[in-house]
Amino acid sequence: EPEVTQTPSHQVTQMGQEVILRCVPISNHLYFYWYRQILGQKVEFLVSFYNNEISEKSEIFDDQFSVERPDGSNFTLKIRSTKLEDSAMYFCASSVGSGYTFGSGTRLTVV
Amino acid sequence: KNEVEQSPQNLTAQEGEFITINCSYSVGISALHWLQQHPGGGIVSLFMLSSGKKKHGRLIATINIQEKHSSLHITASHPRDSAVYICAVRGPGNQFYFGTGTSLTVIP
Repeated sequence: EPEVTQTPSHQVTQMGQEVILRCVPISNHLYFYWYRQILGQKVEFLVSFYNNEISEKSEIFDDQFSVERPDGSNFTLKIRSTKLEDSAMYFCASSVGSGYTFGSGTRLTVV
Repeated sequence: KNEVEQSPQNLTAQEGEFITINCSYSVGISALHWLQQHPGGGIVSLFMLSSGKKKHGRLIATINIQEKHSSLHITASHPRDSAVYICAVRGPGNQFYFGTGTSLTVIP
């Protein structure tokens, strides 16, 4: 069964550093999403992406965040200057029609 | 404020029991998702609903748009069903809102 692949599975970074989280969505999917889940809290929507542009973003998705689909297969989330409170599990998802698939997540730890 | 409320927060059941998890939402929606999150953290999409009822194996999901309510039912529950079940809705402007999840433990 097709999968959404996320790399790395775990990343540790120093506060203030930039990180890029990578996702490979399912090839025929058209919509792409990033979510985060702070430990012990609920999943939160960050951004959705369609037709090479952001279609919706939440209040969390401020100027320190950006997304890109650089080569037609990867879908990346960049956090420019990480803060301690950015520590969370970040999930990528992709969809087409009613088919919706999550990746297994990247655990980001900011120290 | 919570756009999506789930109940119960925690649920323990004996193997074989019929389980119901409820979700109420306060925003207008275009779709509602039921998700399953395993202890390792991975999330699986179980259902996407915009009306009526869907069934997949032992899982049944229903939605009542007028009452802004959805239920997830598990028939003949099994220990491998133990997970957190999350209700999520796609609201106005395609924003997604998530419930806090229902932690289900099925005891053999």
